Amino acid sequence: QKEVEQDPGPLSVPEGAIVSLNCTYSNSAFQYFMWYRQYSRKGPELLMYTYSSGNKEDGRFTAQVDKSSKYISLFIRDSQPSDSATYLCAMSGSGNQFYFGTGTSLTVIP
Amino acid sequence: KAGVTQTPRYLIKTRGQQVTLSCSPISGHRSVSWYQQTPGQGLQFLFEYFSETQRNKGNFPGRFSGRQFSNSRSEMNVSTLELGDSALYLCASSLSGGGPHYNEQFFGPGTRLTVL
Repeated sequence: QKEVEQDPGPLSVPEGAIVSLNCTYSNSAFQYFMWYRQYSRKGPELLMYTYSSGNKEDGRFTAQVDKSSKYISLFIRDSQPSDSATYLCAMSGSGNQFYFGTGTSLTVIP
Repeated sequence: KAGVTQTPRYLIKTRGQQVTLSCSPISGHRSVSWYQQTPGQGLQFLFEYFSETQRNKGNFPGRFSGRQFSNSRSEMNVSTLELGDSALYLCASSLSGGGPHYNEQFFGPGTRLTVL
């Protein structure tokens, strides 16, 4: 079983829709959770960084962590065509080794 | 503040050759991690360096090696290249010294390696 599971999609939504992206994990030692956005042929860009359980909001983006269910989510409100990218979840424990999901490809249609 | 830089951006090599990739972290960041990204496998962790020492290592063969210099710049070397080594190689840096955001990783643009 992989440490981190992420539905690869692809996901296609109309502009203005609410997007929900999810990852599950198996290692209960994970306590740092991140979401990255990666445009084609570019490096991943850090979107959200969360420690332990709870919600974090930044503009149109909300990250949720449920450690009891080993489940994390990223919500994008009022999605825009510029949000079209691959979204990667990542997590780590107390060390500095990160485990990434395989990414979900999102297309927002104008 | 300048971001993570990687050189070269693109590289074409043939099987059996070796290659060296370079990464300059964000100023003040002491940890540098390397990843291989392919369409089939996603992002796979190669190794992490902190204060010139390899601190973590992924599950890659010994052909993949790295080092870090005293100014935190890092290089990654792949010897005896194989076709399967074609990938985007990403470098990420983080502060890694304590504090609530000590391990936020910031990625460079990557080096796209093609092995013919």
